Amino acid sequence: RKEVEQDPGPFNVPEGATVAFNCTYSNSASQSFFWYRQDCRKEPKLLMSVYSSGNEDGRFTAQLNRASQYISLLIRDSKLSDSATYLCVVNIGGGGNKLTFGTGTQLKVEL
Amino acid sequence: NAGVMQNPRHLVRRRGQEARLRCSPMKGHSHVYWYRQLPEEGLKFMVYLQKENIIDESGMPKERFSAEFPKEGPSILRIQQVVRGDSAAYFCASSPTGVANGYTFGSGTRLTVV
Repeated sequence: RKEVEQDPGPFNVPEGATVAFNCTYSNSASQSFFWYRQDCRKEPKLLMSVYSSGNEDGRFTAQLNRASQYISLLIRDSKLSDSATYLCVVNIGGGGNKLTFGTGTQLKVEL
Repeated sequence: NAGVMQNPRHLVRRRGQEARLRCSPMKGHSHVYWYRQLPEEGLKFMVYLQKENIIDESGMPKERFSAEFPKEGPSILRIQQVVRGDSAAYFCASSPTGVANGYTFGSGTRLTVV
């Protein structure tokens, strides 16, 4: 089983739609959780951290369910500029400082 | 306030040559991480360094790859005797203290082995 698993997509949605991405992680000792965004041939950029209480940043809402080892990202009112690959990222834990990346979910927002 | 600086942006090497990739972390960041992204694949952790110390090299191939982060100067990822399979994007990231707030990535070095 992969340490961090995501549906690769692509998700093709019309502008203005709401879209949700899911991610599961295998290690229950995982400590920190993030969503990153990566545009084609560019570096990953931190979108937001993910907390058990849930957190929101504008049109983006992230949620963590520790019991189910599940992370989600909701994008409301999709814009063309949201087209990118969204990476689920986990600090697996064990005292280490490395982040483990999922392979990403591709989003294409269309007119 | 410059971000994480990587150079060169693009590097072409013939099989058997050496590749040296450089990374200067953000000001105030003492933790450096190297990742590799093969075409159509996710980012894979390679190595985590602090000044003059390799903290975790569990993702480094056993042969031909080495990394350092000297007291002065950038972190260097060195690949000796490159092969076609080394062609990838190599990203460096830095953080001030651990991963609690995530990393900041550089723009990467795209290595092409011909």
